[in-house]
Amino acid sequence: DAGVIQSPRHEVTEMGQEVTLRCKPISGHDYLFWYRQTMMRGLELLIYFNNNVPIDDSGMPEDRFSAKMPNASFSTLKIQPSEPRDSAVYFCASSLGLAGDHYEQYFGPGTRLTVT
Amino acid sequence: AQSVTQLDSHVSVSEGTPVLLRCNYSSSYSPSLFWYVQHPNKGLQLLLKYTSAATLVKGINGFEAEFKKSETSFHLTKPSAHMSDAAEYFCVVSGQNDYKLSFGAGTTVTVRA
Repeated sequence: DAGVIQSPRHEVTEMGQEVTLRCKPISGHDYLFWYRQTMMRGLELLIYFNNNVPIDDSGMPEDRFSAKMPNASFSTLKIQPSEPRDSAVYFCASSLGLAGDHYEQYFGPGTRLTVT
Repeated sequence: AQSVTQLDSHVSVSEGTPVLLRCNYSSSYSPSLFWYVQHPNKGLQLLLKYTSAATLVKGINGFEAEFKKSETSFHLTKPSAHMSDAAEYFCVVSGQNDYKLSFGAGTTVTVRA
């Protein structure tokens, strides 16, 4: 398996522009997670999906952020409008389950977002 | 609620010498514990995990960790460091049936030739 795939790997945009980050989870994984990593706050969970349905979006910072999972093999995280403080590395992860032996999250390589 | 504390923000070792990365956890449940490694500009890779089976857990690349409930610790060790071990390491805890992983602040490992 190719692992979790994210695109783009790097994104530089100007403040106010819309940004869309993409993720393809590992085939067969029912859970998909979006994280943000910054120096100040470390790794933070933004939202997670189970079987394409958003379950917990309490980590989404504000209404400018939205995430969708139209099918089992694709998810997007959108920021509109983007702001400089959104600059971070955004990771997507997927897992088979939430407990026991199935509970390991596999992370993608991340998207480094810079908003100028 | 659960949390982890990584006791060292930076560890520097010589190639061929042992590596010890310390992690203490706090959890209301029987925890699941993980160590992830992140190489520069890369994603997080799972090194090993503890999920209430054997307390000594062996992972990839010669790493192992021991779960000590009495000390609420899950320290990561490797007997002989390699240059390729230079990276950032995260200790992670989750509660029982709790998808929310709590990440430690990370320990940066530097390996000297």
